[in-house]
Amino acid sequence: GNSVTQMEGPVTLSEEAFLTINCTYTATGYPSLFWYVQYPGEGLQLLLKATKADDKGSNKGFEATYRKETTSFHLEKGSVQVSDSAVYFCALRRSGGTSYGKLTFGQGTILTVHP
Amino acid sequence: AAGVIQSPRHLIKEKRETATLKCYPIPRHDTVYWYQQGPGQDPQFLISFYEKMQSDKGSIPDRFSAQQFSDYHSELNMSSLELGDSALYFCASSGPRDSGTDTQYFGPGTRLTVL
Repeated sequence: GNSVTQMEGPVTLSEEAFLTINCTYTATGYPSLFWYVQYPGEGLQLLLKATKADDKGSNKGFEATYRKETTSFHLEKGSVQVSDSAVYFCALRRSGGTSYGKLTFGQGTILTVHP
Repeated sequence: AAGVIQSPRHLIKEKRETATLKCYPIPRHDTVYWYQQGPGQDPQFLISFYEKMQSDKGSIPDRFSAQQFSDYHSELNMSSLELGDSALYFCASSGPRDSGTDTQYFGPGTRLTVL
């Protein structure tokens, strides 16, 4: 079945440091890939997405590229801020059949950014 | 912009009681999804509806049932509550399908505590 594996956390960085959160997936066909962010006490917010191989999703300085050859969708940001402290979830939606199917999430990575 | 609305935001119940969670999707969204997020865990898909019909089913206990109404809002009914049902319950919506947009947008969640 489909699965998503994220790098283990928590990740602690200083402000303006470079961020990478690794995400790899297992799926048949060509799933759509997503990064969601969850701030303390809040719901999940879509951060970025990519729907086909070599697509790059980007938003708020975050980027991730859909790599079919390595089945990866790593999240990166060049300079993190304290306000980026949150839990980050990588997720996939299977291809084929209905494209409105369920999301399968990774285990989440807690990011803490210190001033 | 209008977001997904969930009510109540917090709910405390005793074991063996029943609970009803409500979800109001973004206007014009025709698909609703329910997810359960246990403490420190990733969200797990429960069930989804499109145009008032169940479209997909995940790991939803038989004690739970859900439906989507003519105004597209959805309710998740939970009976014979157990301590293990304590979790954050998210609703997400997407659509309309004929527009080609299928990104899921999440509500703030309902935190259910079973004592």
